[in-house]
Amino acid sequence: KAGVTQTPRYLIKTRGQQVTLSCSPISGHRSVSWYQQTPGQGLQFLFEYFSETQRNKGNFPGRFSGRQFSNSRSEMNVSTLELGDSALYLCASSPAAGATDTQYFGPGTRLTVL
Amino acid sequence: GEDVEQSLFLSVREGDSSVINCTYTDSSSTYLYWYKQEPGAGLQLLTYIFSNMDMKQDQRLTVLLNKKDKHLSLRIADTQTGDSAIYFCAEKGGGYQKVTFGTGTKLQVIP
Repeated sequence: KAGVTQTPRYLIKTRGQQVTLSCSPISGHRSVSWYQQTPGQGLQFLFEYFSETQRNKGNFPGRFSGRQFSNSRSEMNVSTLELGDSALYLCASSPAAGATDTQYFGPGTRLTVL
Repeated sequence: GEDVEQSLFLSVREGDSSVINCTYTDSSSTYLYWYKQEPGAGLQLLTYIFSNMDMKQDQRLTVLLNKKDKHLSLRIADTQTGDSAIYFCAEKGGGYQKVTFGTGTKLQVIP
């Protein structure tokens, strides 16, 4: 069974631009969660989607948004990029909403904002 | 808000036991987790414990929970060089509560 895949793996953008990251969950998993990892703030929860609905949201500004498609694939969008958005963005999938005990992580997308 | 604290660094010799400690503040935590992150990789869930348990053993891993002191530890027996990584402690309330991660402990295993 293929693992969680994230594309692209690396991305360089400039301030003010927007970016879209993609996450394909493990086959059969319907929940996708997104996390931001930075040296300063550590790992922080962004949001979780299940059955195309956002089920939970972390403390991030509205510039961070996401969506989930009917095939459970998810995208995360960050608009008006700031230098502080440079981070490793991790997505994780699980069979059900809130099921962090059966959650598998992808390798992440490394975003650099110049 | 919830807070999870870990020491930043631990160095052990190959074959010794490693003990990584974590403290948390949320008394309503239901699940407590340990994750491993190797360089350039995502997180791997190693093990978890329910808040109504005080110990869980899984092969070389032993998790101890002191709920009164809000203290969680991960013991790795017979530590190997492949165990070198960053270990994150995390906690979550029940249902759809978000996960709160610790700062991570970098484990260095000396051959």
